[in-house]
Amino acid sequence: GAGVSQSPSNKVTEKGKDVELRCDPISGHTALYWYRQSLGQGLEFLIYFQGNSAPDKSGLPSDRFSAERTGGSVSTLTIQRTQQEDSAVYLCASSLKGRGTGELFFGEGSRLTVL
Amino acid sequence: AQTVTQSQPEMSVQEAETVTLSCTYDTSESDYYLFWYKQPPSRQMILVIRQEAYKQQNATENRFSVNFQKAAKSFSLKISDSQLGDAAMYFCALRPSGNTPLVFGKGTRLSVIA
Repeated sequence: GAGVSQSPSNKVTEKGKDVELRCDPISGHTALYWYRQSLGQGLEFLIYFQGNSAPDKSGLPSDRFSAERTGGSVSTLTIQRTQQEDSAVYLCASSLKGRGTGELFFGEGSRLTVL
Repeated sequence: AQTVTQSQPEMSVQEAETVTLSCTYDTSESDYYLFWYKQPPSRQMILVIRQEAYKQQNATENRFSVNFQKAAKSFSLKISDSQLGDAAMYFCALRPSGNTPLVFGKGTRLSVIA
C-alpha cells in the first residue's frame, strides 16, 4: 500500500488475554519501529527492526512483550497476559534504510483497551 | 542518553495569528536530525518539518518555520497565519546519527480559536 497499515484499529480485550497487533510497512522500507503512546503522553519506543540485523529490543517494558518481523516486511507485536496498564495506542512506523531524510512514516495506530 | 523536552503541555492561538511552540533537547551527538510531527485526532503522525543539525539555515515549510539554536539545543516551531486545521498535538523529536529510533517529547496540544 501507499502508507503504513496497522490492524486492528481498535482492540478491546480482557485482562490476562494475549493480543497481536499487525503492521505492514511501506514497500521498500527496511526499517520498522514500534512505539507506545499512553493517554496524554509522548511516544515511548518499544522495538526497532533494520533489515536482517538483530532487532533493538531495548524499549520493551517486560518479557510479556515481543515482536517479530517476517520476510523483512510485516511485523507483529504480541502482548501476552495483558494488564490494564498495557492500554494505549500502539504506533508502527517505517523508514528507508540508512539515514536518508531521517523521516519516519507512521501508521494510524492500534488502540488497545484492556478491561 | 537522548532527551527531548516540551515545556508547554497546551497552547492556544487565534486564527490568523502566529504561535511558537518550544522544544529543547539533549544529545552528545554532533550529527542528528530534529523533527516536528503533528498528530490530529485521527492519530496519524504527520511530519511538519525537519532540520539537519549540520545546517545552520533554519528550515521553512510554507507557514511553518523553526528557530534552531544548536548551541542552546533549542528547536522551536513557529506557525504563522494559524488555521483551524492546525489544531492538533505537536511532537518534537530527535534522531541521533545512524539508524536509531526517534526520541519524542511529551507533546504540546495546540488549540486554534476562531
